[in-house]
Amino acid sequence: DTGVSQNPRHKITKRGQNVTFRCDPISEHNRLYWYRQTLGQGPEFLTYFQNEAQLEKSRLLSDRFSAERPKGSFSTLEIQRTEQGDSAMYLCASSSPTSGQETQYFGPGTRLLVL
Amino acid sequence: AQKVTQAQTEISVVEKEDVTLDCVYETRDTTYYLFWYKQPPSGELVFLIRRNSFDEQNEISGRYSWNFQKSTSSFNFTITASQVVDSAVYFCALSEAAGNTPLVFGKGTRLSVIA
Repeated sequence: DTGVSQNPRHKITKRGQNVTFRCDPISEHNRLYWYRQTLGQGPEFLTYFQNEAQLEKSRLLSDRFSAERPKGSFSTLEIQRTEQGDSAMYLCASSSPTSGQETQYFGPGTRLLVL
Repeated sequence: AQKVTQAQTEISVVEKEDVTLDCVYETRDTTYYLFWYKQPPSGELVFLIRRNSFDEQNEISGRYSWNFQKSTSSFNFTITASQVVDSAVYFCALSEAAGNTPLVFGKGTRLSVIA
């Protein structure tokens, strides 16, 4: 069983540019979560989906952030007009509570650096 | 509001020593789940254990053991006979209800095991 995958693993961009990250969850996991982790801190929740429905968004998710999961499989997280404060590790996790897999399994993350 | 406190920012031990990582949590929920994750230098969060609020039995898995005490709202993690490969950042996390809701993480404890 393959784990959660994320692409790209690293992204360097200039302030003001748009970036998009992709997350592929463990197959048949219907819940998908996005977290952000800054240096020296624990991950902080951004948003999550059950199938294609976005169930909750954190206050951390400003208007410049948008996430989608159009077919209930992979998800994308887009940041528009990036700012230096967006530099962080973006983590994706998946779980499947309907099949007893409540534990969230994480991907390797996408490390974003905004110059 | 939910909160997880890991008061130890960094711990350094010599190989083969035992080490305990502390975790104190706050929640108003009567049903909740507690987790420990390991984050090695590669960055990926590795799931270690999940415990629900109704199960206060201690758990042992090889060199790892966990002590859950609702009376003190603590969920401490002990590594026996530490090894260099145990060097990582360890996160304690909490989720409400059935455990498939967003995780609230502590700030983590960086463990360095010196040969």
